[in-house]
Amino acid sequence: DIVMTQSPDSLAVSLGERATINCKSSQSVLYSSNNKNYLAWYQQKPGQPPKLLIYWASTRESGVPDRFSGSGSGTDFTLTISSLQAEDVAVYYCQQYYSTPQVTFGQGTRLEIK
Amino acid sequence: QLQLQESGPGLVKPSETLSLTCTVSGGSISSSSYYWGWIRQPPGKGLEWIGSIYYSGSTYYNPSLKSRVTISVDTSKNQFSLKLSSVTAADTAVYYCARHLSKRPFDYWGQGTLVTVSS
Repeated sequence: DIVMTQSPDSLAVSLGERATINCKSSQSVLYSSNNKNYLAWYQQKPGQPPKLLIYWASTRESGVPDRFSGSGSGTDFTLTISSLQAEDVAVYYCQQYYSTPQVTFGQGTRLEIK
Repeated sequence: QLQLQESGPGLVKPSETLSLTCTVSGGSISSSSYYWGWIRQPPGKGLEWIGSIYYSGSTYYNPSLKSRVTISVDTSKNQFSLKLSSVTAADTAVYYCARHLSKRPFDYWGQGTLVTVSS
């Protein structure tokens, strides 16, 4: 199994400030044949299912605000929210789909307003 | 717009079998290249992939749950189902159904249904 580890577990950021969440995989999720990282980010608000934000590590899903960005390659990845808005309060999960259909998620990072 | 909706008992007794159904609307469950999966989330905890079924009927299970899980599809009803046997309190969770393409993340999710295991 590919183990996904996120840091930190929780994060408090002031409105308008940058939020950064990290995700590390136990093995590379980069396919050399197409140079794509099989890494996604989801946002989950209370009482709702996860919402896909980013895939291929850095491609925003349609409709996702451009303040959300993803970066990284191989085993180390980052989700950045450039200017935190109140509606961004949520739990964020990374997920590897390199070994699809056997996928794994990170443990989640809770993002709050400072 | 594709929609997925979970249904089934909200309370299951220990040692019994949990059974849930996901009804797909706005699209065909037989569409080629799609996987239909189950994911669960214990209260206050993270997400765990349970298993997936390919449109062709091939199944894939989380190794940690494989001995207790069965996923099946009913194309005539545009539904797929989850059975989890010998449940314990540790199986109490919100259960989600979701869709993904081969080598893609989950793009459509149901709203989830809470299943509590208790006598």
